[in-house]
Amino acid sequence: AQSVTQLGSHVSVSEGALVLLRCNYSSSVPPYLFWYVQYPNQGLQLLLKYTTGATLVKGINGFEAEFKKSETSFHLTKPSAHMSDAAEYFCAVSGGNNRLAFGKGNQVVVIP
Amino acid sequence: DTAVSQTPKYLVTQMGNDKSIKCEQNLGHDTMYWYKQDSKKFLKIMFSYNNKELIINETVPNRFSPKSPDKAHLNLHINSLELGDSAVYFCASSQGQATYEQYFGPGTRLTVT
Repeated sequence: AQSVTQLGSHVSVSEGALVLLRCNYSSSVPPYLFWYVQYPNQGLQLLLKYTTGATLVKGINGFEAEFKKSETSFHLTKPSAHMSDAAEYFCAVSGGNNRLAFGKGNQVVVIP
Repeated sequence: DTAVSQTPKYLVTQMGNDKSIKCEQNLGHDTMYWYKQDSKKFLKIMFSYNNKELIINETVPNRFSPKSPDKAHLNLHINSLELGDSAVYFCASSQGQATYEQYFGPGTRLTVT
């Protein structure tokens, strides 16, 4: 079965600084990878996804992620944090068994 | 137009009661899911239906019973509610199965007292 590891449940970042959220996955088949964002009291919204092809994936709100097979990673970055980026971020992997496995999430706090 | 909608948004009830949560999607998707998000924000899949057929049935107490009357609707009925059932329940849908992105509803916050 596939799995995802997201370290550091809480991530604090200054406004204007780089946002970096780490995601490492495990999958026995070529994975499909996703990042979702959850704002307070809302459902999950897809930020970006990797299926096949280009390993650098651009998403909404200025986020991007790079698939690195050798490192089994799919880290999420944004060059300059904005106050509106404060939310919970989830990495997820699909490994061919009709399931998405989610990581435990990162709570991002943006410091003015 | 809301893509995936759930009702109710909040549900407060007492232990032992029976309650239902309804989900509807207008995206034309063929697969729908129920997830449970606990107080630590961990998301766990409970059930999935593809074209009204149950394809995922995780280790969930049999007090939970999903029903999909058609591809656009997926309901969750919970019997004999317990304190541990308190959580946020999310419905999601996708076109095809988990290799495709899932679209989530706003969630139903269930509180059992």
